[in-house]
Amino acid sequence: ETGVTQTPRHLVMGMTNKKSLKCEQHLGHNAMYWYKQSAKKPLELMFVYSLEERVENNSVPSRFSPECPNSSHLFLHLHTLQPEDSALYLCASSQSHGDGTEAFFGQGTRLTVV
Amino acid sequence: QQQVKQSPQSLIVQKGGISIINCAYENTAFDYFPWYQQFPGKGPALLIAIRPDVSEKKEGRFTISFNKSAKQFSLHIMDSQPGDSATYFCAASRDSSASKIIFGSGTRLSIRP
Repeated sequence: ETGVTQTPRHLVMGMTNKKSLKCEQHLGHNAMYWYKQSAKKPLELMFVYSLEERVENNSVPSRFSPECPNSSHLFLHLHTLQPEDSALYLCASSQSHGDGTEAFFGQGTRLTVV
Repeated sequence: QQQVKQSPQSLIVQKGGISIINCAYENTAFDYFPWYQQFPGKGPALLIAIRPDVSEKKEGRFTISFNKSAKQFSLHIMDSQPGDSATYFCAASRDSSASKIIFGSGTRLSIRP
């Protein structure tokens, strides 16, 4: 285990539903990230949080809403998603979001939008 | 616009053979080149990384070869084993910052017994 835990592991939701993905890191890191992994495409960085403040938002649609209540927890709130949003959503953490820091990934949440 | 191009998309190698995965990058400001390994049902994990001041880095059976002038780098897995079967991602970043990592599209490697 990498010390980054994601729940749920699998999620099926309708386009009108509201759901949340949860990430918890036990590594004492100060930075946390959400990535989207689609088949045969590079990992896409969605959001970066450093010390509970959002430092990057890479043109992600507003139907994805992140929340970082403290440096150990990160949520991704989902509402009115589209089928093309089906993917593996990965959470990661690092000591900081600056130089020389390794990202540790969770196991991901496999999301299917129907 | 794909800043890090990875090939091949999939690769099958016999046990004991050498697996080679290639990557090319565009941005000369990149200064950190990690490789990640991802097993099914798991998140990616850092395997090995190199900086552009060296041309090669070896860790056990895994070697990164780096060609700065050609803006290319590759992963070599010597004596490939069935346990090496996974998806491999090359990546590059500026300032070796975790928040600036650009990933390749991945190579699914299968090692046949």
